[in-house]
Amino acid sequence: NAGVTQTPKFQVLKTGQSMTLQCAQDMNHNSMYWYRQDPGMGLRLIYYSASEGTTDKGEVPNGYNVSRLNKREFSLRLESAAPSQTSVYFCASTFREESPLHFGNGTRLTVT
Amino acid sequence: GDSVTQMEGPVTLSEEAFLTINCTYTATGYPSLFWYVQYPGEGLQLLLKATKADDKGSNKGFEATYRKETTSFHLEKGSVQVSDSAVYFCALSFSGNTGKLIFGQGTTLQVKP
Repeated sequence: NAGVTQTPKFQVLKTGQSMTLQCAQDMNHNSMYWYRQDPGMGLRLIYYSASEGTTDKGEVPNGYNVSRLNKREFSLRLESAAPSQTSVYFCASTFREESPLHFGNGTRLTVT
Repeated sequence: GDSVTQMEGPVTLSEEAFLTINCTYTATGYPSLFWYVQYPGEGLQLLLKATKADDKGSNKGFEATYRKETTSFHLEKGSVQVSDSAVYFCALSFSGNTGKLIFGQGTTLQVKP
């Protein structure tokens, strides 16, 4: 049971570089989410996709774009990375609105 | 706006000690409340939840009661183990999309043998 798989696990970028964080789930979940985790701030929602073909902004969407490629995959793109985007990024999914979130193991991103 | 506040950590306890991690919330409306746990190097896992006032969530010996009058959802365990060492997050969401969580800042628990 793979659950929610995130790649890569670690990444170092220079300011201004771009990259895409990948997320895939094999649980046939409808909704997928991207959160970032920063020390002393808990997790904050960046973007989410309630169902295939839809995406919406969360609390901190600036500097990010997302693509719900299909029901399984939800990617997060940084077009021009900034040091403020240094964080741990978590992807999560859920089957329906009353179900708990299932999280991936995270991607640790450092922007220098 | 809506928010969740947890007690500052880290919390360091000896094995078999009693645990309380305080959590209070501010919300317009009636949220569902959650405790998530994050073990080292892993993603978060749901520990327990409560969806309405006076509900008690419980799992793995942990308990929390939804107190509307004090807007609190404190996490308790009667006897902690070394394996309970982790970061604990209190969170809330509203019906319609329970994946849109508002998290507290997290409390690190370290249990020593």
